[in-house]
Amino acid sequence: DIQMTQSPSSLSASVGDRVTITCRASQNIGIFLNWYQQRPGKAPSPLIYTASNLHSGVPSRFSGSGAGTDFTLTISGLQPEDFATYYCQQSSVTRPYTFGQGTKLE
Amino acid sequence: EVQLVESGGGLVQPGGSLRLSCIASGFSLSDYWMNWVRQVPDKGLEWVAHNKEDGTEEYYVDSVRGRFTISRDNAKNLVYLQMNYLRGEDTAVYYCARPTRGNDWYYDLWGRGTLVIVSS
Repeated sequence: DIQMTQSPSSLSASVGDRVTITCRASQNIGIFLNWYQQRPGKAPSPLIYTASNLHSGVPSRFSGSGAGTDFTLTISGLQPEDFATYYCQQSSVTRPYTFGQGTKLE
Repeated sequence: EVQLVESGGGLVQPGGSLRLSCIASGFSLSDYWMNWVRQVPDKGLEWVAHNKEDGTEEYYVDSVRGRFTISRDNAKNLVYLQMNYLRGEDTAVYYCARPTRGNDWYYDLWGRGTLVIVSS
């Protein structure tokens, strides 16, 4: 299985800050890396797909980059609604489609 | 409205069985692979299973293979997850998730989830 490792596991920040979350795959997954946001008690919602493409309706303060094994999610200018947990997920041809362990932004 | 709604969760004893359902509305199930993803309370996400648009192919994570079965009824726009020989570690919220189509897929639609508790 492809292991996905996110860092940090938790992150303290303030409104207006710029934050970066990293996700590392245990093997090359090309650009097949997606990011999701999950608020407490809610289902995950999509943010970014194939490393750097914004899902429809996602604010432009979210951005993603990377390829191969190393990826980042950046939020520029944190808003109150951004305090949530973020997950990466690999969507390469290799099942299972593993997720990172999550990064809680608080 | 385009949505997924899961049902069928509940409390079950170890070794027992449960069938989850996911009803899709606003789109045709026959156009999509459909997935089940689970989340242990306050823990991370785990992909469980998915099946092909016509139901002819299905794949599972190792921890449930041989115990869980994913199936669908496209005419009724329903996806199922039959869970047998349940264990404590199967306790989780189970989400039905729809991926976009194509190689650059991601889950663009999720249900609210249904909670399964395996306990004596």
